[in-house]
Amino acid sequence: AQSVTQPDARVTVSEGASLQLRCKYSYSGTPYLFWYVQYPRQGLQLLLKYYSGDPVVQGVNGFEAEFIKSNSSFHLRKASVHWSDSAVYFCAVSATGNYKYVFGAGTRLKVIA
Amino acid sequence: GALVYQYPRRTICKSGTSMRMECQAVGFQATSVAWYRQSPQKTFELIALSTVNSAIKYEQNFTQEKFPISHPNLSFSSMTVLNAYLEDRGLYLCGAREGGWDEQYFGPGTRLTVL
Repeated sequence: AQSVTQPDARVTVSEGASLQLRCKYSYSGTPYLFWYVQYPRQGLQLLLKYYSGDPVVQGVNGFEAEFIKSNSSFHLRKASVHWSDSAVYFCAVSATGNYKYVFGAGTRLKVIA
Repeated sequence: GALVYQYPRRTICKSGTSMRMECQAVGFQATSVAWYRQSPQKTFELIALSTVNSAIKYEQNFTQEKFPISHPNLSFSSMTVLNAYLEDRGLYLCGAREGGWDEQYFGPGTRLTVL
């Protein structure tokens, strides 16, 4: 069975600073990996996804993530955050052919001036 | 593009009553629909996975008797929360996918408040 760990429940960064949100997954096969963002009182919006190929995937709003198989990680990065990036970010994993998504606990990002 | 709508967006029900929520896929064929619940301050838990022409699979701690699901065609699914209590409050998301594609398209969710 697959699982996801987001070790940082809360992250605070200054506007304009760089960002990394950590995600580690557990799955013996080839995972499908996703990052979603949840703004206050809203549902999930897909930021980016990884299925195969280039381990660095580009997403919306300047986000990117790198799949490192040897480390079972899929960390989310952004070079320069904006106050509007404040939200909760969820990493999710899906196994090949398994329709079930397993979500991490989420990381609440706060961007301060 | 592929879109998923959920109705209602917000609902309030009295403790012990039932509440039905709907999920509609537009622009693709929703062969599978997954229902998730996000309880306050928590992550998303899978309730059940429904695939057209197959039995609905419920996760541990969730039952058909409590969360009956209907998935009558490739564009619509509904789920009812029967006999709702305080622990059932939260955001209910529907994620739909088409055929062999693994990506799920999520709706905005139905937020359930139980009084």
